[in-house]
Amino acid sequence: SQQGEEDPQALSIQEGENATMNCSYKTSINNLQWYRQNSGRGLVHLILIRSNEREKHSGRLRVTLDTSKKSSSLLITASRAADTASYFCATPQGFTGAGSYQLTFGKGTKLSVIP
Amino acid sequence: NAGVTQTPKFQVLKTGQSMTLQCAQDMNHEYMSWYRQDPGMGLRLIHYSVGAGITDQGEVPNGYNVSRSTTEDFPLRLLSAAPSQTSVYFCASRRLVAATGELFFGEGSRLTVL
Repeated sequence: SQQGEEDPQALSIQEGENATMNCSYKTSINNLQWYRQNSGRGLVHLILIRSNEREKHSGRLRVTLDTSKKSSSLLITASRAADTASYFCATPQGFTGAGSYQLTFGKGTKLSVIP
Repeated sequence: NAGVTQTPKFQVLKTGQSMTLQCAQDMNHEYMSWYRQDPGMGLRLIHYSVGAGITDQGEVPNGYNVSRSTTEDFPLRLLSAAPSQTSVYFCASRRLVAATGELFFGEGSRLTVL
């Protein structure tokens, strides 16, 4: 069953604006990952945040994690038309110690950045 | 670097036909998996493998078969295709590390079952 749920399902913004996407999950995790999918392509890993981290940055990406609320957010600052894509959060399920866990994905947020 | 390679990219089948989706990776990843992606459903795990000779079922395994004879290859077999198996299929691989391994995806195989 799916663990993460992204919100909103779709988001349309002007180029230069910031885009914020949220992810809620159900059970305790030790990390959360975000992926991007361009139309007709495979998913690409963006960033991983561990459960003992509250915030992480990578270029124009800022990810937060609130384990008490079981939620995460992905902020893309100064968006560009090339950021148009679907964004997914993913969480590990199963025993993570030996690496045999499975990544479960939410349904994604479809971001459109209008030039 | 080729990464994860899936073939074919597109396939049309008739109900009841069988076929194999191929997946190969050149990163020496122990873990490989197959997902299907349907509109409004996100990605759902079909089968996965943590090494040669070891496979296990994911969330939606019915109608699919896998084997892992080598580290590099992880084919997905549709035994008797049904219209409900119309979907985009993604193969993904990663290192078998504790909880922090990033998944590397192929470009997908779009399957239509008539």
